[in-house]
Amino acid sequence: EAGVAQSPRYKIIEKRQSVAFWCNPISGHATLYWYQQILGQGPKLLIQFQNNGVVDDSQLPKDRFSAERLKGVDSTLKIQPAKLEDSAVYLCASSLNQGALGYGYTFGSGTRLTVV
Amino acid sequence: DAKTTQPPSMDCAEGRAANLPCNHSTISGNEYVYWYRQIHSQGPQYIIHGLKNNETNEMASLIITEDRKSSTLILPHATLRDTAVYYCIVRYYGGSQGNLIFGKGTKLSVKP
Repeated sequence: EAGVAQSPRYKIIEKRQSVAFWCNPISGHATLYWYQQILGQGPKLLIQFQNNGVVDDSQLPKDRFSAERLKGVDSTLKIQPAKLEDSAVYLCASSLNQGALGYGYTFGSGTRLTVV
Repeated sequence: DAKTTQPPSMDCAEGRAANLPCNHSTISGNEYVYWYRQIHSQGPQYIIHGLKNNETNEMASLIITEDRKSSTLILPHATLRDTAVYYCIVRYYGGSQGNLIFGKGTKLSVKP
């Protein structure tokens, strides 16, 4: 089975610029997650989708971050404008459904964002 | 916030057993213990999970104390490829109750 695909792999931007990340989950996985991982810390959930609806975005900085999953498959995460503290790895994960068993999460390799 | 406490780092000699501890003193009766690991430049990968009995699979063994307040992940014969950050996570088994909440994990360095 193909894994979770993410692109780009790396991105360097200047502060106040905008950036977008793309994620293609495992086929058939209804639930999609975006995590932010700052260097030296564990991943932190930003937003969770169930099909094309948002289940949890309580940790998403909505003044600058946005995410969508229009057709319930691929998803994009956008930052506009970026700040220095947004430098992190952005991980996408998917699971079969919202009530996925704890072992049912598959993560992509992430996009490493550097804001200078 | 993460419900678990882990040492920030550990070393292990190649070929020896790696024993990674985790404290989860506030775990509730219907919460499971999960272990994930994250190899450099990759996303986290599931290793093993358990409720109260010891568990073993092809990757590792999980020992949970009788009071369930702590657990130990055992990699029986560590190799250099086991160098990674290991996360201990407490979560409900299913339902919509909770995503994976990661702490800082334990950075395991396997040395030749």
